[in-house]
Amino acid sequence: DGGITQSPKYLFRKEGQNVTLSCEQNLNHDAMYWYRQDPGQGLRLIYYSQIVNDFQKGDIAEGYSVSREKKESFPLTVTSAQKNPTAFYLCASSIDLRVGNQPQHFGDGTRLSIL
Amino acid sequence: KNQVEQSPQSLIILEGKNCTLQCNYTVSPFSNLRWYKQDTGRGPVSLTIMTFSENTKSNGRYTATLDADTKQSSLHITASQLSDSASYICVVTGAGSYQLTFGKGTKLSVIP
Repeated sequence: DGGITQSPKYLFRKEGQNVTLSCEQNLNHDAMYWYRQDPGQGLRLIYYSQIVNDFQKGDIAEGYSVSREKKESFPLTVTSAQKNPTAFYLCASSIDLRVGNQPQHFGDGTRLSIL
Repeated sequence: KNQVEQSPQSLIILEGKNCTLQCNYTVSPFSNLRWYKQDTGRGPVSLTIMTFSENTKSNGRYTATLDADTKQSSLHITASQLSDSASYICVVTGAGSYQLTFGKGTKLSVIP
């Protein structure tokens, strides 16, 4: 069954700590995305990637970093510079960044909280 | 600034009843509009995608309409079921843009 797997489902971060959220897809999609969802807010784009070893900042990239070493994987690191990291993080993929009418497929998210 | 406004913010209906959710947007020029369903604690799932030339699109009991002239869309749910309880998110893509503008969603509760 093809899809997007995010792990862990719940994550706790201590002050000053970096944490990494995993995102793996087996849909053979080129484009991958990271979004942040806060209560009562629309999803906001953190980073996106069209191809391996290339990624672009979204609207709220400060305090986050990503890598795209494999087509299937797009991990997100929440660094200690992100002062308000508590949120629900969603990873998504689509066939191609440029095919605008294709749906984005989402994982089931990681909920990050501060200890 | 591109915006997507959804109404109502929340809605409670009885099982078996119909309901309509609204989406107004300012994104211009416009490429397509999507409706997603998001269950609590899960990722959004695509219901419909409509381009500029499409007025209506159905997916089972879900029917989306689009009026590109007035920049309005609606999602009509027929014969609601308890499993329809979720947030429904309207998403708009501008022409020539890779980025999506998300609405804040309408939280629908279907009660027995």
